[in-house]
Amino acid sequence: EPEVTQTPSHQVTQMGQEVILRCVPISNHLYFYWYRQILGQKVEFLVSFYNNEISEKSEIFDDQFSVERPDGSNFTLKIRSTKLEDSAMYFCASSGGGHYTDTQYFGPGTRLTVL
Amino acid sequence: GESVGLHLPTLSVQEGDNSIINCAYSNSASDYFIWYKQESGKGPQFIIDIRSNMDKRQGQRVTVLLNKTVKHLSLQIAATQPGDSAVYFCAEKSGTGRRALTFGSGTRLQVQP
Repeated sequence: EPEVTQTPSHQVTQMGQEVILRCVPISNHLYFYWYRQILGQKVEFLVSFYNNEISEKSEIFDDQFSVERPDGSNFTLKIRSTKLEDSAMYFCASSGGGHYTDTQYFGPGTRLTVL
Repeated sequence: GESVGLHLPTLSVQEGDNSIINCAYSNSASDYFIWYKQESGKGPQFIIDIRSNMDKRQGQRVTVLLNKTVKHLSLQIAATQPGDSAVYFCAEKSGTGRRALTFGSGTRLQVQP
């Protein structure tokens, strides 16, 4: 069964450093997403990406964040200058693009720890 | 503001019993709802979904009920098993053109053997 994969599973970084989180969405999907989950809290939407551009983003997704699809299979989230409060699980998701019932399938997540 | 929330943070049931997990939502424009299961250290796993033009949808051992009048969503799990122990989230997609999911705060289901 196709699944979303993410690397690394755990990333530790120093405050102020740049990190890139990587995802391989399900191969025939058209929409890609990043969500985050701070420990013990809700899953929060960050950004969606379609046709090589951002289609939607939340207030969390400020100028420190960027997304890219550098090739036909990878989808990345970059945080330019990490802050302590960026520590969270980051989930990538993808969906096929149906109008109403567009199920989003999630990857296993990357745990980002900012020291 | 608009939100999706859960009534009970923890639900403990006996193995073999039926479980009911509830969710309230406040956005009347929401047109699609999904239940996800999240096991420790893993990503949300799709369980079942329902469109706003439906009241009920059944899957394998799971049923989702939607009551739009009171903006309430429930997930029923039949014959709960130890493997069902996890945190369950409801999520909604609101408005035409928006694909962002708004997640509830989650209910932890504990299945006692």
